[in-house]
Amino acid sequence: ETGVTQTPRHLVMGMTNKKSLKCEQHLGHNAMYWYKQSAKKPLELMFVYSLEERVENNSVPSRFSPECPNSSHLFLHLHTLQPEDSALYLCASSQDSSGRTYNEQFFGPGTRLTVL
Amino acid sequence: GQNIDQPTEMTATEGAIVQINCTYQTSGFNGLFWYQQHAGEAPTFLSYNVLDGLEEKGRFSSFLSRSKGYSYLLLKELQMKDSASYLCAVGDSNYQLIWGAGTKLIIKP
Repeated sequence: ETGVTQTPRHLVMGMTNKKSLKCEQHLGHNAMYWYKQSAKKPLELMFVYSLEERVENNSVPSRFSPECPNSSHLFLHLHTLQPEDSALYLCASSQDSSGRTYNEQFFGPGTRLTVL
Repeated sequence: GQNIDQPTEMTATEGAIVQINCTYQTSGFNGLFWYQQHAGEAPTFLSYNVLDGLEEKGRFSSFLSRSKGYSYLLLKELQMKDSASYLCAVGDSNYQLIWGAGTKLIIKP
């Protein structure tokens, strides 16, 4: 247990579905992240929220929409996804100052997403 | 461009020593991390190096040479539970973490 939980752990969806991934951290951290992990590829940073403000968006397609209602919760809303979006989606949190992201990140177990 | 290189897969024997290398080219440097990730689980933090030299933590040690853009993770007295992927990540000048693709370590009896 790392103090970061994610639901659901597994998700299968069609290309026309709308679904949401949820992440919750119990560590009192002030920064949260969404990563995409595909087989044999580096972790891809998708979004960063520091102090509930989005500070990074690495040209992620608009079919992925993040939401951070407070410092403990992070959502990733999914709609009209493509089969190539199938991957493991990891949430992480850290305690940062001034939006820096080099502090240790604590990861959740991930959501295994399959898009049919 | 920014790049992190590490071997895709390594195999070692239980009880032995293995060294996993990581080379990096990034815009600036703000520390290097090693994470361990067991199949189907979250990555977990192993080490953080920001100065040159060797950091030892039990059976695991991590080395950094900033002038060479090089790090390694040394695992001693290998156990079957060490079978996992090992991820190298570097903080760049924007304090973003740039990740390697990971090294899958297979431990054989």
